[in-house]
Amino acid sequence: DSGVTQTPKHLITATGQRVTLRCSPRSGDLSVYWYQQSLDQGLQFLIQYYNGEERAKGNILERFSAQQFPDLHSELNLSSLELGDSALYFCASSVGYGRMGETQYFGPGTRLLVL
Amino acid sequence: AQSVTQLDSQVPVFEEAPVELRCNYSSSVSVYLFWYVQYPNQGLQLLLKYLSGSTLVKGINGFEAEFNKSQTSFHLRKPSVHISDTAEYFCAVIMYSGGGADGLTFGKGTHLIIQP
Repeated sequence: DSGVTQTPKHLITATGQRVTLRCSPRSGDLSVYWYQQSLDQGLQFLIQYYNGEERAKGNILERFSAQQFPDLHSELNLSSLELGDSALYFCASSVGYGRMGETQYFGPGTRLLVL
Repeated sequence: AQSVTQLDSQVPVFEEAPVELRCNYSSSVSVYLFWYVQYPNQGLQLLLKYLSGSTLVKGINGFEAEFNKSQTSFHLRKPSVHISDTAEYFCAVIMYSGGGADGLTFGKGTHLIIQP
């Protein structure tokens, strides 16, 4: 158990819909990262927040957005969903924002299926 | 931009035999290097990482990796594998600079299959 929690574990929805994935980091970690794992694209970094502020952006689509709240939990919002958005979405957390090579601890993931 | 290449998508090995999983990276700036393992239906777990110093890094579960700057490689090794090592292994890099670091860039993964 990494200490990172993600809800829900599974999500089934239809094309065009909007969903919200939630992540609670390990106690004491200030950074939250979101990753997408799909068969064709592999594991891709989406976005990072550090202490409530966006810190780095990866291959995140404009239809996707995220935020980190004052209690440091984070939400990833996916809208206008397409079939290709079906994937495993991971959240990870670390103490700092990565400059010192801090370990990122991964949650169990949310499996999203878009029908 | 950095990239990571894992040369083998699948590696079958007999139990108690040694194994090496290969990883090469490319980056125009300094990087930190990581190996993560993903067991079926689970999240990723850190095996080991290289930040600086000794190029031979020891990790959990008997794994080790060697950083070779001239060959831009970070190969993972284990002298004797067990059935429980069956999993997907990911090599990853993170680029760092004075201003901070980006997210992890992962390779495509290597599926380690242990045969009894």
